[in-house]
Amino acid sequence: GAVVSQHPSWVICKSGTSVKIECRSLDFQATTMFWYRQFPKQSLMLMATSNEGSKATYEQGVEKDKFLINHASLTLSTLTVTSAHPEDSSFYICSAAPGEATNEKLFFGSGTQLSVL
Amino acid sequence: RKEVEQDPGPFNVPEGATVAFNCTYSNSASQSFFWYRQDCRKEPKLLMSVYSSGNEDGRFTAQLNRASQYISLLIRDSKLSDSATYLCVVTSGNTPLVFGKGTRLSVIA
Repeated sequence: GAVVSQHPSWVICKSGTSVKIECRSLDFQATTMFWYRQFPKQSLMLMATSNEGSKATYEQGVEKDKFLINHASLTLSTLTVTSAHPEDSSFYICSAAPGEATNEKLFFGSGTQLSVL
Repeated sequence: RKEVEQDPGPFNVPEGATVAFNCTYSNSASQSFFWYRQDCRKEPKLLMSVYSSGNEDGRFTAQLNRASQYISLLIRDSKLSDSATYLCVVTSGNTPLVFGKGTRLSVIA
């Protein structure tokens, strides 16, 4: 089956540093990838939709200059949390769908737990 | 009103019990409905889609009531391995998925 690889799984960093998270579709091309954030005991909240070759679409309330998204190829999207602060500590997860697939065929990465000290 | 609402639980049930989760959604234009399962600090995994006619997959039965904008999931003969958070997920066409907060289930030996 289709696989989405996300790295790293865990990140612990100091306040003020930047953290890059990678999301790769291993056996399919993904025109669109989605980035979610999940705080403890909360639902997954969509942060942005990443489109290959164009700018990401950010959800209301998500700072595009803080959460930089790059989708330079059909198999890779990256999320960079710039100048991370403790309130950015959360579980970040990406998802992707092959081609014209419906939402039912959305595949998730394994997530990245970010802890900012 | 939140787009997708679920009882957060936790539901603590003994092995072999039957347990039901409910979910309501606010967008009447929603077209696709799913139940996902999420283990702690793991990615969500699709459990089953929910169809208007209702559908069953082994011990799991999902039902949809469009008039009441209500979705349910029934788990029969609960196993210890069923312990997880169950997420109700809704979407309108090809728009991004909207997740509920999830309902936590603990199956106890």
